[in-house]
Amino acid sequence: DAGVTQSPTHLIKTRGQQVTLRCSPKSGHDTVSWYQQALGQGPQFIFQYYEEEERQRGNFPDRFSGHQFPNYSSELNVNALLLGDSALYLCASSWERGGRDEQFFGPGTRLTVL
Amino acid sequence: AQKVTQAQTEISVVEKEDVTLDCVYETRDTTYYLFWYKQPPSGELVFLIRRNSFDEQNEISGRYSWNFQKSTSSFNFTITASQVVDSAVYFCALSEVTDSSYKLIFGSGTRLLVRP
Repeated sequence: DAGVTQSPTHLIKTRGQQVTLRCSPKSGHDTVSWYQQALGQGPQFIFQYYEEEERQRGNFPDRFSGHQFPNYSSELNVNALLLGDSALYLCASSWERGGRDEQFFGPGTRLTVL
Repeated sequence: AQKVTQAQTEISVVEKEDVTLDCVYETRDTTYYLFWYKQPPSGELVFLIRRNSFDEQNEISGRYSWNFQKSTSSFNFTITASQVVDSAVYFCALSEVTDSSYKLIFGSGTRLLVRP
């Protein structure tokens, strides 16, 4: 039973560029949440997707957008990258009907913006 | 507003010592969940425990134990007879649930270093 997977593992971009991060949820899960973890801090909620729609959003600018596909996988897009976007981006999946609070986390994508 | 405070930034102990990681939370919800996660250097968050706000029983799992006290809004985590493999960053988290969604609010983490 595969857990949550994320790609790529590491990514280096320059300011102003755009980036797309990908997440495949744990088998049987239908909800995907994205978190940003800056160095030395706890993860911060970005947004959550369910039934291919964003249903809650944290305190992040519109430069951060996402998408969920019919197979429940998800993408996080960040436009006009800033140095401050450098962080570990974590994806978490859960099952809406089986325990919304049980979120399983992937290994993360480490984004460095130069 | 929901908030989780982990006042201990870093703790260093010698192997086999007991260590307690503190967590204090703030919430207006009557129903909520509290969590502890472990984050080793690899970066992946490893789930340790979930506690329902209505269940104040302490829990023990091997060398790990948790003390939940609603009266002081605390959910502390104790590792007994620590081992080098316990070295990691530990996060306490609080659930925020709405009709349509669910998210976790994390503390800033406590880095635990267990020296041989």
